[in-house]
Amino acid sequence: DGGITQSPKYLFRKEGQNVTLSCEQNLNHDAMYWYRQDPGQGLRLIYYSQIVNDFQKGDIAEGYSVSREKKESFPLTVTSAQKNPTAFYLCASSIASGVVLGNEQFFGPGTRLTVL
Amino acid sequence: LAKTTQPISMDSYEGQEVNITCSHNNIATNDYITWYQQFPSQGPRFIIQGYKTKVTNEVASLFIPADRKSSTLSLPRVSLSDTAVYYCLVGSYGNKLVFGAGTILRVKS
Repeated sequence: DGGITQSPKYLFRKEGQNVTLSCEQNLNHDAMYWYRQDPGQGLRLIYYSQIVNDFQKGDIAEGYSVSREKKESFPLTVTSAQKNPTAFYLCASSIASGVVLGNEQFFGPGTRLTVL
Repeated sequence: LAKTTQPISMDSYEGQEVNITCSHNNIATNDYITWYQQFPSQGPRFIIQGYKTKVTNEVASLFIPADRKSSTLSLPRVSLSDTAVYYCLVGSYGNKLVFGAGTILRVKS
């Protein structure tokens, strides 16, 4: 059963702590993405990766870091440098990067991060 | 990247047809138009995609005029379960995707 998984579903963190959000896909997709969504807002791109061992900053990369050591995995670390990390985080994957014919993004269920 | 403009919200009643229009005046020749749907606390899911004229699938139709400066997502006979946020995206290969605020569709009984 192919898909994209994120864990954990809910995450609580104390201020000053780093935390890593997991994202795994078994769709054999080259491109993977991390988005942040705040209440009542659209999605904002944090980082994206078009291929293994390569990734690019999105619109709001400050305070976040990623790695892409394996095709199926794209973990996101929220560092203590991120001033307002409480949000809903969504991971996605697609065959290729961009809006091209047949290239839909598949999203995971999301991780809701709360900083206490 | 082409900027998109959508209405902030729309209200409808069950059984009606809903049309959501997206404006993208600076769309490029290679750009495709894609619509996503998002329910609360879930990731968006793909609805439909097109380049020009009309595209139809089992859930929606997408109308794109000849100048491609706008597009209209048409949802036939909506139900309460169609209440969601709808996003219009424009881009081409290699672009990062930009999700705007989307259109909140509220379907009432």
